[in-house]
Amino acid sequence: AQKITQTQPGMFVQEKEAVTLDCTYDTSDQSYGLFWYKQPSSGEMIFLIYQGSYDEQNATEGRYSLNFQKARKSANLVISASQLGDSAMYFCAMVRRYGGATNKLIFGTGTLLAVQP
Amino acid sequence: ETGVTQTPRHLVMGMTNKKSLKCEQHLGHNAMYWYKQSAKKPLELMFVYSLEERVENNSVPSRFSPECPNSSHLFLHLHTLQPEDSALYLCASSPGTDANSPLHFGNGTRLTVT
Repeated sequence: AQKITQTQPGMFVQEKEAVTLDCTYDTSDQSYGLFWYKQPSSGEMIFLIYQGSYDEQNATEGRYSLNFQKARKSANLVISASQLGDSAMYFCAMVRRYGGATNKLIFGTGTLLAVQP
Repeated sequence: ETGVTQTPRHLVMGMTNKKSLKCEQHLGHNAMYWYKQSAKKPLELMFVYSLEERVENNSVPSRFSPECPNSSHLFLHLHTLQPEDSALYLCASSPGTDANSPLHFGNGTRLTVT
């Protein structure tokens, strides 16, 4: 069965520093996709970054990068130059493959990030 | 309007009430989803619709009844709920053409069952 594990319930980081949020996954599929979402206190889930299992390079989107280590089954999110607005819950997710084109995502339990001034 | 809109934002209902949650997407997507988010638990996928056809029902109790009248609208009808059903209910949509496209979520409905 597929599973996402986020072992850090909460993290603190100083403003302008970089922070790494951990994510490990378990799957027997050869082809899969990994996502990171941000959930501020408003409740909306905001898509941050995507990594495909066959992508040779780590994904980057602005200040977000994904440290993808396939052999270790880890997909850690790195946020550079943290800002106060980065304070939120962060979820790692994996797309579960059934065939077809709907994205049945499996989520981890999340990491609460607090950015301190 | 853009994105995914959910109404109401907050809902308090008694166990004998009947209410409905509404979701509308303005992204031209073909797939829509209901997720349940409870405290300290991963998001749970409840229902998936693709082109108005239900393609996933994750062993959800019958007191939750989804409806997708067209590809832009999704409802979740609620009746005789239990206090443990209190949670944030998130609606999402995706293009429905590529399983690696991200889901676009609404702000959610915070449901409290008394």
